[in-house]
Amino acid sequence: DGGITQSPKYLFRKEGQNVTLSCEQNLNHDAMYWYRQDPGQGLRLIYYSQIVNDFQKGDIAEGYSVSREKKESFPLTVTSAQKNPTAFYLCASSIGTGANEQFFGPGTRLTVL
Amino acid sequence: GQNIDQPTEMTATEGAIVQINCTYQTSGFNGLFWYQQHAGEAPTFLSYNVLDGLEEKGRFSSFLSRSKGYSYLLLKELQMKDSASYLCAGSFSGGYNKLIFGAGTRLAVHP
Repeated sequence: DGGITQSPKYLFRKEGQNVTLSCEQNLNHDAMYWYRQDPGQGLRLIYYSQIVNDFQKGDIAEGYSVSREKKESFPLTVTSAQKNPTAFYLCASSIGTGANEQFFGPGTRLTVL
Repeated sequence: GQNIDQPTEMTATEGAIVQINCTYQTSGFNGLFWYQQHAGEAPTFLSYNVLDGLEEKGRFSSFLSRSKGYSYLLLKELQMKDSASYLCAGSFSGGYNKLIFGAGTRLAVHP
């Protein structure tokens, strides 16, 4: 079955530690995205990638970093520079970055203690 | 920037009809997505409107008026499992076709 996976589902970290969230897709999609979801707010774009070895900052990229070394994978690192990292993180992919449907992974809930 | 506005919460009765509205700024607008999201889960695609008018898909229909910057999602014959958040997202031009999401409308369906 084609799909997009994120792991782990729940993640706990101490303040000051970097943490990397995994996102893998086998849909053969070129474009991948990372969003952050907070209560009462819409999904906010952190980073996106239109093609392998290329990525662009979204609206709230500060304190985050990404890589896109393989088409299937788009990991997100939450660094200690992110002031309020506790949130629900969603990864998505689409055929291209045109007006195409985005398919979402199940999300990772990160709690920083 | 582009804002997407939708009501925060709605309640409805099982078997009834509910309409969830969404408004957006028309500058650079390409199309309008609706997603359903159950608590703690991934959003799932419901509909995509580019042209004006109503598109029906089973119990769910979505309407778009490009000139008015307005869309709605219509849910008929409500079921308890329809209790979820409904996300309105506009696709806008600019570098790439980015999606701007509203905060979501939390729908509670009661017996």
